[in-house]
Amino acid sequence: KQEVTQIPAALSVPEGENLVLNCSFTDSAIYNLQWFRQDPGKGLTSLLLIQSSQREQTSGRLNASLDKSSGRSTLYIAASQPGDSATYLCAYHNDYKLSFGAGTTVTVRA
Amino acid sequence: SAVISQKPSRDICQRGTSLTIQCQVDSQVTMMFWYRQQPGQSLTLIATANQGSEATYESGFVIDKFPISRPNLTFSTLTVSNMSPEDSSIYLCSVVAHSYEQYFGPGTRLTVT
Repeated sequence: KQEVTQIPAALSVPEGENLVLNCSFTDSAIYNLQWFRQDPGKGLTSLLLIQSSQREQTSGRLNASLDKSSGRSTLYIAASQPGDSATYLCAYHNDYKLSFGAGTTVTVRA
Repeated sequence: SAVISQKPSRDICQRGTSLTIQCQVDSQVTMMFWYRQQPGQSLTLIATANQGSEATYESGFVIDKFPISRPNLTFSTLTVSNMSPEDSSIYLCSVVAHSYEQYFGPGTRLTVT
């Protein structure tokens, strides 16, 4: 079974600092990898999808990279804001089914 | 993207009863799934809701406990049967849109007392 690990489990930074969130998976023969944001008690918001043929995706202040050979994906959030405080989840696509990591809970201090 | 709604948004139920959760999508989608998020945990796939046929369940989940219906390409229901406190979770439906991106509903927060 695919294992998805997210490090760190929690992160607290001052406003303006760049965020680096890590996701590792055990099978390099992945389909796609997707990053989500979850606010407390809420559903998931899709942030970025990296297809298996791609190395990275960018949307505004967010950039996600994918290195299949090392089994890693990294989500970068530039110039963090208090509104970025949330739990960030990465998920591996296996035939449309998602396997999730445990998430990184981010707190951005004003 | 797809816009997904779920009903109810939350409910408190007594042990031994059943609750049916509805998931409505604003466009026709082929792939629809149901996930569970237990307190403090990440998401776990319950089943794939197949239109016109029986759902496909993941290991550890059975049809008698979590019956699923998918009458058309925009709607599905998940029933949590004979509930116990261990069923207290957030239940989310998701769909696959174009380019393989997956979208989630707002979730149904279930508390079983």
